[in-house]
Amino acid sequence: KAGVTQTPRYLIKTRGQQVTLSCSPISGHRSVSWYQQTPGQGLQFLFEYFSETQRNKGNFPGRFSGRQFSNSRSEMNVSTLELGDSALYLCASRVAGSDTQYFGPGTRLTVL
Amino acid sequence: KNEVEQSPQNLTAQEGEFITINCSYSVGISALHWLQQHPGGGIVSLFMLSSGKKKHGRLIATINIQEKHSSLHITASHPRDSAVYICAVSGQYGGSQGNLIFGKGTKLSVKP
Repeated sequence: KAGVTQTPRYLIKTRGQQVTLSCSPISGHRSVSWYQQTPGQGLQFLFEYFSETQRNKGNFPGRFSGRQFSNSRSEMNVSTLELGDSALYLCASRVAGSDTQYFGPGTRLTVL
Repeated sequence: KNEVEQSPQNLTAQEGEFITINCSYSVGISALHWLQQHPGGGIVSLFMLSSGKKKHGRLIATINIQEKHSSLHITASHPRDSAVYICAVSGQYGGSQGNLIFGKGTKLSVKP
């Protein structure tokens, strides 16, 4: 089975722009979670989607949003980018009912 | 106070040494995870534990639910074990398994 894929792998944006990141889970996995990793804060939970519904949301401003499609692929969007949004964004998928998450390679976002 | 505490933050070892990384958590959980992150960002799930002990090759993970403590051991360490090891918990307060709370990580460097 193919692993979790994320596109793009690298992205450079300027302040005020918006960005959309994509995550394709492992086939058969209906749950997708998104995480942000920064040197200062470490890894933090953004949100989780299951069967096109947001199940959980972390403590991030409303500029961070996401969605999930019927094929379980997920996107996250960040509007009005700030310098502090520069981070590695990771998604992870899992089978419903299991705690084990499988991580994608991440998208490294740089905001200038 | 972080809900997941790891120690040590940094660890340098000589090849062949036995290594222990500790993790303590403060909330009720459904599972504890040990993750490995190499430079470049990709995260690999090493173990998912809800009780007892698991072994995979030279890696051993244990958890004591009553004491809310887990350890990751590496026997006969090798330079290729150099990475950041991250402890994370899921299902806290009976919530979703898709929401991981992470420790700050332990950066391990194994010298030849």
